[in-house]
Amino acid sequence: EAQVTQNPRYLITVTGKKLTVTCSQNMNHEYMSWYRQDPGLGLRQIYYSMNVEVTDKGDVPEGYKVSRKEKRNFPLILESPSPNQTSLYFCASRSTGRGAGSYNSPLHFGNGTRLTVT
Amino acid sequence: AQSVTQLDSQVPVFEEAPVELRCNYSSSVSVYLFWYVQYPNQGLQLLLKYLSGSTLVKGINGFEAEFNKSQTSFHLRKPSVHISDTAEYFCAVSGGSSNTGKLIFGQGTTLQVKP
Repeated sequence: EAQVTQNPRYLITVTGKKLTVTCSQNMNHEYMSWYRQDPGLGLRQIYYSMNVEVTDKGDVPEGYKVSRKEKRNFPLILESPSPNQTSLYFCASRSTGRGAGSYNSPLHFGNGTRLTVT
Repeated sequence: AQSVTQLDSQVPVFEEAPVELRCNYSSSVSVYLFWYVQYPNQGLQLLLKYLSGSTLVKGINGFEAEFNKSQTSFHLRKPSVHISDTAEYFCAVSGGSSNTGKLIFGQGTTLQVKP
């Protein structure tokens, strides 16, 4: 089954304790992205990756790191989490194309990771 | 820069009634538009998309949307809703370079279908 898998689904941690949220996709997609979802703000992009070893900042990258060493994996790293990073996080992937073709392939989302930082 | 505004945060409606979820966008360039649905405790799924061609787009689960360039709108409609349509709906517009495939999402509209 084609899917994007995030782990863990729920995570409660304390300020300053490093954590990693994993994301893996089995569709051989080039493009992967992380979003955070907050009430009243919709989804905002944190980081994205166009392919292996190619990553770039989204709209809200502060306090986050990512890596793309393998095509299927795109972990999100919080080196020193703070309470304002309490949120619902989504990983997404899709195949890529040119022009409008970039959007012909829909984004596939994971089921989300609910993070609470106390 | 592109942006998306969903005009209603919550839309309550009775089962079998019609519904319209409103979305307006701003962009200085050609846009691609999308509606995604999020069921409780799940990720987002694509409902429909407008890339070019016919301005009336049909999606899954009986939903459709109409691209109106003059009004910069992309409202989502369904003639008769079911309880199972209860979910959060997000409108999105293509953002930045098309090579990045970035989407900019609206704030979301919660559709509450009552029996």
